[in-house]
Amino acid sequence: EAGVTQFPSHSVIEKGQTVTLRCDPISGHDNLYWYRRVMGKEIKFLLHFVKESKQDESGMPNNRFLAERTGGTYSTLKVQPAELEDSGVYFCASSRRRYTEAFFGQGTRLTVV
Amino acid sequence: AQSVTQLDSQVPVFEEAPVELRCNYSSSVSVYLFWYVQYPNQGLQLLLKYLSGSTLVKGINGFEAEFNKSQTSFHLRKPSVHISDTAEYFCAVSTQEGGSQGNLIFGKGTKLSVKP
Repeated sequence: EAGVTQFPSHSVIEKGQTVTLRCDPISGHDNLYWYRRVMGKEIKFLLHFVKESKQDESGMPNNRFLAERTGGTYSTLKVQPAELEDSGVYFCASSRRRYTEAFFGQGTRLTVV
Repeated sequence: AQSVTQLDSQVPVFEEAPVELRCNYSSSVSVYLFWYVQYPNQGLQLLLKYLSGSTLVKGINGFEAEFNKSQTSFHLRKPSVHISDTAEYFCAVSTQEGGSQGNLIFGKGTKLSVKP
């Protein structure tokens, strides 16, 4: 069984540009989560999908971030326009049920210069 | 609101020595508890979890943790560490109730460095 896949693994963009991160969850996992770790800080929840619906997006920092999960399969997280403070590692996780273990991808390291 | 405190940001230890990584949490509702590990250049991997039942939980790679409700703690232990245990360890909780059920709240992480 394939794990959670994220790409790109690294992205370096200039301030003001747009970046799209992608996450492919484990097949059959309805729950998909996005988290972010800014350097030196804890990993923080961004949002949660159940199938294609946003269940909780209370962690999204502002309206420059847009997450989608069309068809309830893979998800994308777009940052437009990117700011310096958006730099960090973005993790995606998926789980079969809400309160059981979540399986994480390797993360996308985003650097905004 | 829930919070997780990992008391040590870095823990150096010699190979074959025992180790304890401390985790305390704060929550007004019942929680599930997790420890994740991140090896260098890899993603997060689940070490162990407490959902219910026995308060002593055994995980992968010889790690175990004990849930102490009265002290709101979930400390991670290993009786004898190996060089390969060098990694960053994260304690996390998720609530059993409410709209944020299932969302993980993480501590800041503890970097375990095992020296020969």
